[in-house]
Amino acid sequence: GQQVMQIPQYQHVQEGEDFTTYCNSSTTLSNIQWYKQRPGGHPVFLIQLVKSGEVKKQKRLTFQFGEAKKNSSLHITATQTTDVGTYFCARLQTGANNLFFGTGTRLTVIP
Amino acid sequence: DAGVIQSPRHEVTEMGQEVTLRCKPISGHNSLFWYRQTMMRGLELLIYFNNNVPIDDSGMPEDRFSAKMPNASFSTLKIQPSEPRDSAVYFCASSFRGPPYEQYFGPGTRLTVT
Repeated sequence: GQQVMQIPQYQHVQEGEDFTTYCNSSTTLSNIQWYKQRPGGHPVFLIQLVKSGEVKKQKRLTFQFGEAKKNSSLHITATQTTDVGTYFCARLQTGANNLFFGTGTRLTVIP
Repeated sequence: DAGVIQSPRHEVTEMGQEVTLRCKPISGHNSLFWYRQTMMRGLELLIYFNNNVPIDDSGMPEDRFSAKMPNASFSTLKIQPSEPRDSAVYFCASSFRGPPYEQYFGPGTRLTVT
């Protein structure tokens, strides 16, 4: 279907360690979006990837879109306590403008 | 810009009561989305509107749920009668209908049905 699978479901890291979450689809994606939801908050848009093999960086965050446009990853270098939250990937429904969200990866950063 | 506005922020009601959630999208956005978030089911799309017209309501759980968008600046999600299993956080989000399709979420309404 048009769902996206996200792994891992949970990740606990020591502050300063790196973190990566992965998003996989069985079908080719037109684009992939990433959102962050802080505990008790709402999802906030981070970035959108459109091109095959695309890599974008936002400070310590690196976003990649696979060459086959079926997977994506978000990597955080040297995590900080402010990185705590759930990270979601989302795909656009084919021929429409609604999103299907992945299950999310909940990141805990231990000081 | 005030962002997406939702009210109420918290709602506690008894089983069988009617619940109405409200949303004001960002001015200029022409798509509006209602989501429900629970630990068990994650973030689920309930219904979405383009230019005030419902496009896809396949995510609406059952007939107890209804949504309206009478104009470009206001939408409601109604649950009648409410049940304990409806307890969740309900988010409204808005976007432009075209690219880049990024959605802006409201703060959500935390609904508890006892």
